[in-house]
Amino acid sequence: NAGVTQTPKFRVLKTGQSMTLLCAQDMNHEYMYWYRQDPGMGLRLIHYSVGEGTTAKGEVPDGYNVSRLKKQNFLLGLESAAPSQTSVYFCASSYGAGGVDQPQHFGDGTRLSIL
Amino acid sequence: GENVEQHPSTLSVQEGDSAVIKCTYSDSASNYFPWYKQELGKRPQLIIDIRSNVGEKKDQRIAVTLNKTAKHFSLHITETQPEDSAVYFCAASSGQGAQKLVFGQGTRLTINP
Repeated sequence: NAGVTQTPKFRVLKTGQSMTLLCAQDMNHEYMYWYRQDPGMGLRLIHYSVGEGTTAKGEVPDGYNVSRLKKQNFLLGLESAAPSQTSVYFCASSYGAGGVDQPQHFGDGTRLSIL
Repeated sequence: GENVEQHPSTLSVQEGDSAVIKCTYSDSASNYFPWYKQELGKRPQLIIDIRSNVGEKKDQRIAVTLNKTAKHFSLHITETQPEDSAVYFCAASSGQGAQKLVFGQGTRLTINP
């Protein structure tokens, strides 16, 4: 049982390049989330999904897209990377329980640098 | 939307002493309040959480208190040990189906031997 797995762990991009971050969970969780973590700002929600085939915007969605084609996977895409997107990206997942919050489990993160 | 403020941003205590971290939230509909510990370069890990129908929760040396009227909650760590050194984050969520957490800015806790 690996929990939440993120790939890649590190990546350096040039401004304007595109890439996709992959998150996979093996806990059969309904809900999945993408956060970014910047120094001194805590974690901020980018996008989230409450089930296969569904996605929704979080607090800071601009410049990112997501897809959840399979229940266990949640992809975060950067279409045209900008230096402001340099950050550590965390994926998380949780059970969906009819409006009652459940603990979110985090992956190890992806450290992304945009030059 | 929800706004969570966390204080202090840094905290240094002697080993064996207690540490207290405080958070305030703005949305009275919030009803789930987790605390995460993050060691350098690692993932955030849940250490304790509390729901709005409970005023206090304890787990060994860790406790969380919630004051719904004042909209603030606190993390208490007793008998601190060097391995407690980390960044701690509070968060709040309204539980309206999506479980969207809003995090505080974090507190860097250092335990001095």
